[in-house]
Amino acid sequence: DAKTTQPPSMDCAEGRAANLPCNHSTISGNEYVYWYRQIHSQGPQYIIHGLKNNETNEMASLIITEDRKSSTLILPHATLRDTAVYYCIVMMIYNQGGKLIFGQGTELSVKP
Amino acid sequence: DTAVSQTPKYLVTQMGNDKSIKCEQNLGHDTMYWYKQDSKKFLKIMFSYNNKELIINETVPNRFSPKSPDKAHLNLHINSLELGDSAVYFCASSQVGESNQVGSPLHFGNGTRLTVT
Repeated sequence: DAKTTQPPSMDCAEGRAANLPCNHSTISGNEYVYWYRQIHSQGPQYIIHGLKNNETNEMASLIITEDRKSSTLILPHATLRDTAVYYCIVMMIYNQGGKLIFGQGTELSVKP
Repeated sequence: DTAVSQTPKYLVTQMGNDKSIKCEQNLGHDTMYWYKQDSKKFLKIMFSYNNKELIINETVPNRFSPKSPDKAHLNLHINSLELGDSAVYFCASSQVGESNQVGSPLHFGNGTRLTVT
């Protein structure tokens, strides 16, 4: 079962920041928070990940609370092409690589 | 060049048939995966292979058999297809990190839509 909870859907106006919340209250110390998104009919696409510090890349920013029980993905200037299902995932680490467990995600609709 | 490629993109077949889906990655990754996305859009891991060795097998029926001829390929064979096998199947790859550190993110292919009639 997924270890994260996300709102099923959100709307955002084009050009505005999209803030997608995620709860992961049972996260353990060596588990990372990953964000992926799936645009209709395509494979999931990696966005960003973090352990406990805030992270930023060319796509988004990831804000993780100090207790690590929740996080927020920020798309600073949402465009219509950002319309997708966004998945927040807690990553279990095996010696041979991580196993991603997807939840239901948040369906983000960016509107003109 | 496509990093993770799957063939075919669409596969329509009848119940009882045997079919295969091929996956190739040109990223030099050492771990490959198969995920299944059902009609309710849930993505569930089926298998993962690391350097041709089966690592994860998530209670998938024996009719599903992954085969990894080398670390760049992970094919999925499905025997005696059933209606419930209809779904989109995604292949993915990643690189394991050193000393239990997290490795690279997963790179996914664009999926194979399997329809069993």
